[in-house]
Amino acid sequence: EDKVVQSPLSLVVHEGDTVTLNCSYEVTNFRSLLWYKQEKKAPTFLFMLTSSGIEKKSGRLSSILDKKELFSILNITATQTGDSAVYLCAVHNQGGKLIFGQGTELSVKP
Amino acid sequence: DTAVSQTPKYLVTQMGNDKSIKCEQNLGHDTMYWYKQDSKKFLKIMFSYNNKELIINETVPNRFSPKSPDKAHLNLHINSLELGDSAVYFCASSQGEPPRGRYFGPGTRLTVT
Repeated sequence: EDKVVQSPLSLVVHEGDTVTLNCSYEVTNFRSLLWYKQEKKAPTFLFMLTSSGIEKKSGRLSSILDKKELFSILNITATQTGDSAVYLCAVHNQGGKLIFGQGTELSVKP
Repeated sequence: DTAVSQTPKYLVTQMGNDKSIKCEQNLGHDTMYWYKQDSKKFLKIMFSYNNKELIINETVPNRFSPKSPDKAHLNLHINSLELGDSAVYFCASSQGEPPRGRYFGPGTRLTVT
C-alpha cells in the first residue's frame, strides 16, 4: 500500500531558528512530490518536486527530493511566527492519486 | 476572485440526515477532487472527477455520492449521516497532466451529533 510518512509530527522552535521537516514515501510509480502549508483553513501549495537533487527555493523555504532514498526535506530558515502551521507532504502516483502524509505541526514562538 | 469555493463552511446536523456540500472553481481547471481530513489532520482522497467524469473513487461508503454538473462544479451528497462522518471536507482542483499542485477550497467542517 502506498504511504507517506512525515517526521517529526510536531516541532516547537523559537523565531530565528532553522527547521528541517522530513518526508519519506513508498509509492508505486512515483510522479511527483508536493509540499503544502496548512494554517487554519485550506492547504496552500508550496512546492512540487519531480527530479532528484534539484533544490526548489521560495524565500526562506527550500525543498529537495531524493528519489533514490525516497525522501524529501523542507527547510525553513530564520523562522517567523507566521510560519506556524501544519506542513503536509504528498506524493502523486501514476494512478492520479495524491497521497498525503500525516503532517508536521510547526509552532514558532516569539 | 475566490479560486475554489465551498458552501457551507460549517454544517452541524443529526445522525441519519442527508446533506450536501457544494464546490465551485473559477480557475478553468479540468479536474476536481473531494478530500476528507480527520481529527488527526490526515487528508485522504475520496473522489476525483476529470471533465465531469469520475476517475478516482476511493473506498468510501456508498452513502457518499459526488455529482459534477459541469467542469466547474463538484458537489458531495451524503446520505444517512453517521457520527464517523464528522470531519473537514475539502474540495480541490488541478490542471494539466501531471497536475501541478492542488488548489484547495476553504473546507467544510461537518459535525454529526
